[in-house]
Amino acid sequence: DGGITQSPKYLFRKEGQNVTLSCEQNLNHDAMYWYRQDPGQGLRLIYYSQIVNDFQKGDIAEGYSVSREKKESFPLTVTSAQKNPTAFYLCASNEGADTQYFGPGTRLTVL
Amino acid sequence: GQQVMQIPQYQHVQEGEDFTTYCNSSTTLSNIQWYKQRPGGHPVFLIQLVKSGEVKKQKRLTFQFGEAKKNSSLHITATQTTDVGTYFCGTGRRALTFGSGTRLQVQP
Repeated sequence: DGGITQSPKYLFRKEGQNVTLSCEQNLNHDAMYWYRQDPGQGLRLIYYSQIVNDFQKGDIAEGYSVSREKKESFPLTVTSAQKNPTAFYLCASNEGADTQYFGPGTRLTVL
Repeated sequence: GQQVMQIPQYQHVQEGEDFTTYCNSSTTLSNIQWYKQRPGGHPVFLIQLVKSGEVKKQKRLTFQFGEAKKNSSLHITATQTTDVGTYFCGTGRRALTFGSGTRLQVQP
């Protein structure tokens, strides 16, 4: 059964801690993306990767880091430098300019 | 990058009424994609429009792309409670720029 998985579903972080959100896809897509969604708002692009070992900053990359060591995996680290990290984080993937397939998301809350 | 404005932000309708959300840009768009996000869920792709003046239908949903490729609309005829959610437009060839979404509430 193909798709995108994200874990954990809910994540709580203390201030000053780094946390890593997992995103895995078995769709064999080259491109993967991370978006942030705040309540009642649209999706904003954090980082994206078009190929293994390469990634680019999106509109709101400050305080985040990513890696793309494998085609199927694109983890996102929320660092302590991110001043307001509480949000819903969505990972997506696609092939070429085709539709984006989204994972179920991770809700991050800073305590 | 390309910016898209989406209106209205929120709409509450009685079941059976029609609903329309609009996506507007000051620049020519290469494409428009529409997504639906159910409450607590993730965005799910509905359709992509790429041609000037294009109109596509999916059952009660009608999608239009303007002649100048600067605006798009999603129209739902005779809404049902299953239509509840937030509808987003997005544009771009790889990473998408999304509108802020229109949240639809349907009163049974």
